[in-house]
Amino acid sequence: QSALTQPRSVSGSPGQSVTISCTATTSDVNYDHVSWYQQHPGKAPKFMIYDVSKRPSGVPDRFSGSKSGNTASLTISGLQADDEADYYCCSFAGINTMVFGGGTKLTVL
Amino acid sequence: EVQLVESGGGLVQPGGSLTLSCEASGFSFSGYWMIWVRQAPGKGLEWVANINYGGDEKHYVDSVKGRFTISRDNAKNSLYLQMNSLRVEDTAVYYCARDSGWLQLGYWGQGTLVTVSS
Repeated sequence: QSALTQPRSVSGSPGQSVTISCTATTSDVNYDHVSWYQQHPGKAPKFMIYDVSKRPSGVPDRFSGSKSGNTASLTISGLQADDEADYYCCSFAGINTMVFGGGTKLTVL
Repeated sequence: EVQLVESGGGLVQPGGSLTLSCEASGFSFSGYWMIWVRQAPGKGLEWVANINYGGDEKHYVDSVKGRFTISRDNAKNSLYLQMNSLRVEDTAVYYCARDSGWLQLGYWGQGTLVTVSS
């Protein structure tokens, strides 16, 4: 099955920007429908980005998504302490299946 | 308000069975694909299975094919995951989630823990 590769960890200081990448390693993912999720320890994931770059209602515009080729990215600007969490990308993978990336731990220094 | 509430988790021996339930409210349940996602302790998210509106199209990750069955009862606004021949590696928090288009998961339950151990 398909795979999405994310860096295991990224870090940044308050107020800075960080970018988390998500690279498809197979050709069967539909990269028009990439979503991103934020997960704090012990909590359920939260829907942050869909269709590569759209934000659900209530998600701050500090969170943005983009893609280039087979790599999607999540950028968080104006880092805040509460942004420290795990982030997962996810893609529609054809024939109504889906695949998650391995997750990235964001540390706010 | 959309709510998804899972139940049915617990401790089960290897080779045993368990059925998880997810009760939905706050939306027209029959109008959405529904999904199960799991997370092993200290690990990442893993898609497990999904089911279409009427329950006649189902898909599974390879590791659970032939052992898990996803189903739904639209009259009861409920989603199920029947898990047979459970293995130690099935130990995880299991989340149900609602599709928000192209299997992008707009709403999640709080999760239910399944522990497979002797």
